[in-house]
Amino acid sequence: EAAVTQSPRNKVAVTGGKVTLSCNQTNNHNNMYWYRQDTGHGLRLIHYSYGAGSTEKGDIPDGYKASRPSQENFSLILELATPSQTSVYFCASGDAPYFGAGTRLSVL
Amino acid sequence: AQSVTQPDARVTVSEGASLQLRCKYSYSGTPYLFWYVQYPRQGLQLLLKYYSGDPVVQGVNGFEAEFSKSNSSFHLRKASVHWSDSAVYFCVLRDTNAYKVIFGKGTHLHVLP
Repeated sequence: EAAVTQSPRNKVAVTGGKVTLSCNQTNNHNNMYWYRQDTGHGLRLIHYSYGAGSTEKGDIPDGYKASRPSQENFSLILELATPSQTSVYFCASGDAPYFGAGTRLSVL
Repeated sequence: AQSVTQPDARVTVSEGASLQLRCKYSYSGTPYLFWYVQYPRQGLQLLLKYYSGDPVVQGVNGFEAEFSKSNSSFHLRKASVHWSDSAVYFCVLRDTNAYKVIFGKGTHLHVLP
C-alpha cells in the first residue's frame, strides 16, 4: 500500500528560526506536494515537484522553500519562521495524491 | 479559472439516513475528480476518483459519486450513513495536463446516533 511519511509530527519553533519539514514516499510517485491546512482556508498548495531535482511554486509559496533531492524525499524549508506559519502541514504524492499524517507546527 | 465549490460547510444527518454532499467545479474540459475524507487530527484518505468513463464511481465504505459534465458537478452519495462517517469531506480537482491539485473548502458531516 502507498505510504507517505512525514517528520516530525509535531514541532515548536521560535520566530526567526529555521524549520525543515521532511517527507518520504515509497510509492515511486513522480509528483509530490506540500500543503498547509488552516481553519477557514482549507488546504492550500505551497510547493510541488514533478520529480527529483524539480520544485514549483504553488499558490502560497512566500516564506517557504522546497527541496526534492531524490524521488523519495521532498522537504519544506522555512528559513525565517514567523507566527503566521503556525499551521498543520501535509505532504502528498501521486496523481490521486496519498497524504501523510501531517506535521503540526507552532511558531512562537 | 479552475475552482471547486462545496456549497455546504456543514451537513447533519441521522444514522441510517441517505447522504448527498455537493460539489461543483469550474474547468474547461473534463478534469480528474476525487473525494477525500479527513477524520480529526488525521491526514486525508482517498474515497474515490473519477478519470473518465462511467459517470458513477464506487468508492470505499459504500460511498459513490456521480460525475455530470453538463452540471459541472461531482456529488458524493451514500445510501445509509453510520455515526463513524462523521468527518470532513473534500472534493478535489486535478488538472489533466498539469500536476496542480485544487481543493474545495470541505464539508463537515455530523451523523447523529
